[in-house]
Amino acid sequence: DTGVSQDPRHKITKRGQNVTFRCDPISEHNRLYWYRQTLGQGPEFLTYFQNEAQLEKSRLLSDRFSAERPKGSFSTLEIQRTEQGDSAMYLCASSRGQGDGYTFGSGTRLTVV
Amino acid sequence: AQSVAQPEDQVNVAEGNPLTVKCTYSVSGNPYLFWYVQYPNRGLQFLLKYITGDNLVKGSYGFEAEFNKSQTSFHLKKPSALVSDSALYFCAVRDFLNDYKLSFGAGTTVTVRA
Repeated sequence: DTGVSQDPRHKITKRGQNVTFRCDPISEHNRLYWYRQTLGQGPEFLTYFQNEAQLEKSRLLSDRFSAERPKGSFSTLEIQRTEQGDSAMYLCASSRGQGDGYTFGSGTRLTVV
Repeated sequence: AQSVAQPEDQVNVAEGNPLTVKCTYSVSGNPYLFWYVQYPNRGLQFLLKYITGDNLVKGSYGFEAEFNKSQTSFHLKKPSALVSDSALYFCAVRDFLNDYKLSFGAGTTVTVRA
């Protein structure tokens, strides 16, 4: 399968715990994106990487959130001290560049209890 | 700032009838426009895009969309809907200058009844 892979598919965590999600983009795609989707809403932009460089972070990405893309391959999104408001679907996408549509992964559904 | 409006939360049609899902956008400069479909507990699947050229864009699964610059619209259409088209549809836009950030509408739930 050459699509975008996300792991895990589901994560249930207690409030205050840290969680980390992984995204493996399509190998020839140099752009990688993280989005968050809450129930009844469209996806909201969180952050964007071109190769290993993180070029923009949304104001939605508080200090508790950090994303990395070492070596310009896979990416991780970590949430520290999770809150109930962090419960959402976290979507990763990748693309080749300007004008390309994104290819999305199936997402990681986070539930904070 | 770029934004998308999908004025209908839900669209209900009978199988075999035409399907239209509406989208209007606001962007600085020339828009890149996209339609995605989402099935339950899944990521978004790309349907079609408008970058430049012909205002009528054809995409996957028999869908098409018409770009109308004067009305800033990009409505999704299918001449004959199938029950399997029942899903959540998102319109998205990005502008030429910020060519990495997609802004999505809130989505339209399509239900096709047999």
